[in-house]
Amino acid sequence: DGGITQSPKYLFRKEGQNVTLSCEQNLNHDAMYWYRQDPGQGLRLIYYSQIVNDFQKGDIAEGYSVSREKKESFPLTVTSAQKNPTAFYLCASSMGGAYSYGYTFGSGTRLTVV
Amino acid sequence: DQQVKQNSPSLSVQEGRISILNCDYTNSMFDYFLWYKKYPAEGPTFLISISSIKDKNEDGRFTVFLNKSAKHLSLHIVPSQPGDSAVYFCAASAAGNQFYFGTGTSLTVIP
Repeated sequence: DGGITQSPKYLFRKEGQNVTLSCEQNLNHDAMYWYRQDPGQGLRLIYYSQIVNDFQKGDIAEGYSVSREKKESFPLTVTSAQKNPTAFYLCASSMGGAYSYGYTFGSGTRLTVV
Repeated sequence: DQQVKQNSPSLSVQEGRISILNCDYTNSMFDYFLWYKKYPAEGPTFLISISSIKDKNEDGRFTVFLNKSAKHLSLHIVPSQPGDSAVYFCAASAAGNQFYFGTGTSLTVIP
């Protein structure tokens, strides 16, 4: 079945550590996105990539980094520079330009800083 | 600044009645709108879309209405079913670029 797989589902991080969240899709979608969800807030865009080896910052990119070496994969690294990393992270993909197709979302990763 | 707003964080409706979820936006350049449904601990799933050239789009029990002059869209679910209980997000985009999401409305359908 085609879809997006995010792993792990739950992740705990000590302060000062970098962690990487995995996102893999087998939908042959060109574009991939990372969103963050906090209580009482909408989904906020962290980074997005329209094509391999290219990505752009979203609204809240500070403290995060990404790579897009393969079409299928768009990992997100939460660095120690991110001051408030505890959140629910969602990865999404679309067939380049989301008209008519919208996004397909993964099931999310809940990151907790301990 | 929140460009897409869902001012009702929660809504309760009796099974069989109509559920109306509302969404307002501020950017007049938005020309494509989506509704997503989200269950706890899962990613959102696409529900229905509408482009700015239309004022209504219907898919089974779900209908989305768009009022461009008021910068307002609404999702109607008729009849509501207990399985519709979830958080609903609206999202808007300008020219196919990134989507901006509302804060979500938690719908509870009471059997």
